[in-house]
Amino acid sequence: GDSVTQMEGPVTLSEEAFLTINCTYTATGYPSLFWYVQYPGEGLQLLLKATKADDKGSNKGFEATYRKETTSFHLEKGSVQVSDSAVYFCALLMSKSTFGDGTTLTVKP
Amino acid sequence: GAVVSQHPSRVICKSGTSVKIECRSLDFQATTMFWYRQFPKKSLMLMATSNEGSKATYEQGVEKDKFLINHASLTLSTLTVTSAHPEDSSFYICSAGAPGTGELFFGEGSRLTVL
Repeated sequence: GDSVTQMEGPVTLSEEAFLTINCTYTATGYPSLFWYVQYPGEGLQLLLKATKADDKGSNKGFEATYRKETTSFHLEKGSVQVSDSAVYFCALLMSKSTFGDGTTLTVKP
Repeated sequence: GAVVSQHPSRVICKSGTSVKIECRSLDFQATTMFWYRQFPKKSLMLMATSNEGSKATYEQGVEKDKFLINHASLTLSTLTVTSAHPEDSSFYICSAGAPGTGELFFGEGSRLTVL
């Protein structure tokens, strides 16, 4: 079946550091790919998405590129802020959604 | 973007009682909604797919008699946890696919605590 593998956390960075959270997937067919963010005690919010190969999703300084050849959708941000501290989920969508295990990011001042 | 709303956001109940959680799509019609369960510091586990006007499709290992799902209209799905026990305490989240967008929109989540 479909699966998503995310980089294990937790990840702790200093403010203004560069962030990469790795995500790879397996799927039969061509899924849509997503990154969601979850702040403490809240539901999931869509951060960005890409629906086909070579698409780049971007939002709030975060970017991820749909790489079909490496079946990857790594999340990057050039300069993180304390307010970016949250749990990040990579997900794919075919007939139903499949989520990675989540990566907890803590950004320290 | 599309809005999905859950109610209640928090509920505390006694062991043995039943609890209903509602999931509404506020500005679009959703023929399919999804229910997830999230354990602390864990990912979302898909419990079932709720289909408007028909029976829900449950994932393997999910007790359909314990987690009753009803999708009576194009904007409302409900999850009823029957005869709740402390091990049912969790964060329950619903989502719905907005037609034509190719993406899922999530509710705010409902935290259930069973005493």
